[in-house]
Amino acid sequence: DTAVSQTPKYLVTQMGNDKSIKCEQNLGHDTMYWYKQDSKKFLKIMFSYNNKELIINETVPNRFSPKSPDKAHLNLHINSLELGDSAVYFCASSQVRQGLAGAFFGQGTRLTVV
Amino acid sequence: AQSVTQLGSHVSVSEGALVLLRCNYSSSVPPYLFWYVQYPNQGLQLLLKYTSAATLVKGINGFEAEFKKSETSFHLTKPSAHMSDAAEYFCAVTNSNAGGTSYGKLTFGQGTILTVHP
Repeated sequence: DTAVSQTPKYLVTQMGNDKSIKCEQNLGHDTMYWYKQDSKKFLKIMFSYNNKELIINETVPNRFSPKSPDKAHLNLHINSLELGDSAVYFCASSQVRQGLAGAFFGQGTRLTVV
Repeated sequence: AQSVTQLGSHVSVSEGALVLLRCNYSSSVPPYLFWYVQYPNQGLQLLLKYTSAATLVKGINGFEAEFKKSETSFHLTKPSAHMSDAAEYFCAVTNSNAGGTSYGKLTFGQGTILTVHP
């Protein structure tokens, strides 16, 4: 079983469209994250949810809206996609309350906006 | 605020040679430190972590790293490189205060691409 799974793996879409990426973790972790990896492979956090509550929102345009229906799921919806949104988006989870064992990452979603 | 600097965006070694990937961190609070590996078109896999126990940390695939507070470093080493080690490696830091504002948020270095020659 995949610990952190995200869908789709690849997403090609036109500017101005709205798209969603879904993430699920089966590790029982209490915290989930979205990270963005740009074309230079630099990784930066976007959002973090702890027990369905938004904890971290790192200067991300409000076209990006995360939603966590429960502890095991964290989705990312992006409105009015722009060329600059092209990147790889990684979902991750960790168990923060019991010590920081490190985050587990999904396989990534490669978003290409044309 | 925390930051990570990885010295050398590319490191090239021969198979069987020592691997040394450098990582220096900056943190105003005691840090937790991690090394991740990313193979092409894959996610990030945790190699090893320092969470304030032993300063010499052993990870998967024969890698280890030593936390040196005086040098603010957490360099990754492997005695003998294997072709399968070719990948990109990321050093990351987080705040050791789990319940604080960081909530396990990772700040990454720029990554180091390791190439292994036969």
